[in-house]
Amino acid sequence: QVQLQESGPGLVKPSETLSLTCTVSGGSMSSYYWSWIRQPPGKGLEWIAYIYYSGSTNYNPSLKSRATISVDTSNNQFSLKLTSVTAADTAVYYCVRQVGDASGGGLDTWGQGTLVTVSS
Amino acid sequence: DIVMTQSPDSLAVSLGERATINCKTSQSVLYSSNNKNYLAWYQQKPGQPPKLLIYWASTRESGVPDRFSGSGSGTDFTLTINNLQAEDVAVYYCHQYFSRTFGQGTKVQIK
Repeated sequence: QVQLQESGPGLVKPSETLSLTCTVSGGSMSSYYWSWIRQPPGKGLEWIAYIYYSGSTNYNPSLKSRATISVDTSNNQFSLKLTSVTAADTAVYYCVRQVGDASGGGLDTWGQGTLVTVSS
Repeated sequence: DIVMTQSPDSLAVSLGERATINCKTSQSVLYSSNNKNYLAWYQQKPGQPPKLLIYWASTRESGVPDRFSGSGSGTDFTLTINNLQAEDVAVYYCHQYFSRTFGQGTKVQIK
């Protein structure tokens, strides 16, 4: 079955760029949508962006100006960059597979999540 | 943005009893072209990622026990957990996938 694993620095300085990669194993990226979702400590869930395996993207309007999602199907990976981070971006970041279509669908496979702390 | 409001914020239920969680959306999430409600429910246990329980408002994900059920349409939805088990202690989130917002979560505990 498909498994997702996030990787990237656990500590990022304010005003710098957060960069995370998700490696997809046990299956193909084709025909699915791939998302990043985050969860500040002790708080709820916030969708950041998704990318289709072909490269089409959609972003949360509140983060669109700072977020970039990309995909590398040859290496079964997709990535997130979030610029100009502040303490408010401190969260557990999850990479997630979405079934369905561009309109939406269930988020059926999640990575374990990686905590990113923004601090000097 | 579609605002999701869950109620209650927390509840305590005796083992074997029923837990009911409500989710109200600020706009209808019923897509007229396919008559589907774009709403899902997730369970999150401490230290774990969320787990998909229900999608299209009432379709149970493969492997999810049948004591979990979803109902509702348009703007009002319910997750029901019958015969509550100890392993059901968790936070439950509703999620609409038109604009991909989540409810604030409902914490379920054992009374």
